Amino acid sequence: NAGVTQTPKFQVLKTGQSMTLQCAQDMNHNSMYWYRQDPGMGLRLIYYSASEGTTDKGEVPNGYNVSRLNKREFSLRLESAAPSQTSVYFCASSLSPGTSGRSYNEQFFGPGTRLTVL
Amino acid sequence: RKEVEQDPGPFNVPEGATVAFNCTYSNSASQSFFWYRQDCRKEPKLLMSVYSSGNEDGRFTAQLNRASQYISLLIRDSKLSDSATYLCVVNGDTGTASKLTFGTGTRLQVTL
Repeated sequence: NAGVTQTPKFQVLKTGQSMTLQCAQDMNHNSMYWYRQDPGMGLRLIYYSASEGTTDKGEVPNGYNVSRLNKREFSLRLESAAPSQTSVYFCASSLSPGTSGRSYNEQFFGPGTRLTVL
Repeated sequence: RKEVEQDPGPFNVPEGATVAFNCTYSNSASQSFFWYRQDCRKEPKLLMSVYSSGNEDGRFTAQLNRASQYISLLIRDSKLSDSATYLCVVNGDTGTASKLTFGTGTRLQVTL
C-alpha cells in the first residue's frame, strides 16, 4: 500500500496562476483533508471531506477550492495564486466513525507539496 | 488564546536524558488527544494517542489532565533518532470527520 500520495512534490507559481494539487489514498478511508503548514503557525485545516460527495470549509478556506473526485481522490485548487499561499500543503485521510460508535481519529498524511508563489 | 499551546522549543538534551513536553488546550469539549511526530521536511505521523488514565509505549509516556486541560509527553532514555518536532493535537469534533487542531510543535534535538 502506498498510503497517501500527493503530486506534485514541489511547485513554483507566479502570482495569478492557477494549479491543482492532487491527493490519493489507498486505505479505503472515508474522510480526507487538506492542510497548510507555515512557520510558527502549525498545521491549519483548509478544507475537508467527511465522506465521498461532501466537502466543508476548514479554518482557512479563502482562495482555495476542493473536489472529492471519488473515495480515493481529493484535489485542492488554487484559482489565482497569491504570495500569501506560499506554504507546505499536506493531504491526510482517516476512517470515520463506524456504526459501533467508535471514533477513528488517526490521520495519515501524505509527503506534502512545497508551493512557492512569486 | 491559541486553541492548542505548546512549550516553545528547541529542547537540546544529551542522549540518555529524560525530557518532558507540555501542552494546554482551550476547548473543554475536546474529545481525543494525540501526539504526532514530524521529522524535518517530512509529514506528521502519529506517535501515540493520549488516554485519560495515561498511557505508555516503550520509552514514551503520555498523560492527560482534563480538569486542567493539560497534556504531557515524557521521553525517557532519549535517542539521537528522537530528534524531531512533537505536535500536540486535539480533536474537539464529534461529527463524522476527525477535525484535528494542531499545536505549533516543540522541537527536540538529542545530542551525543
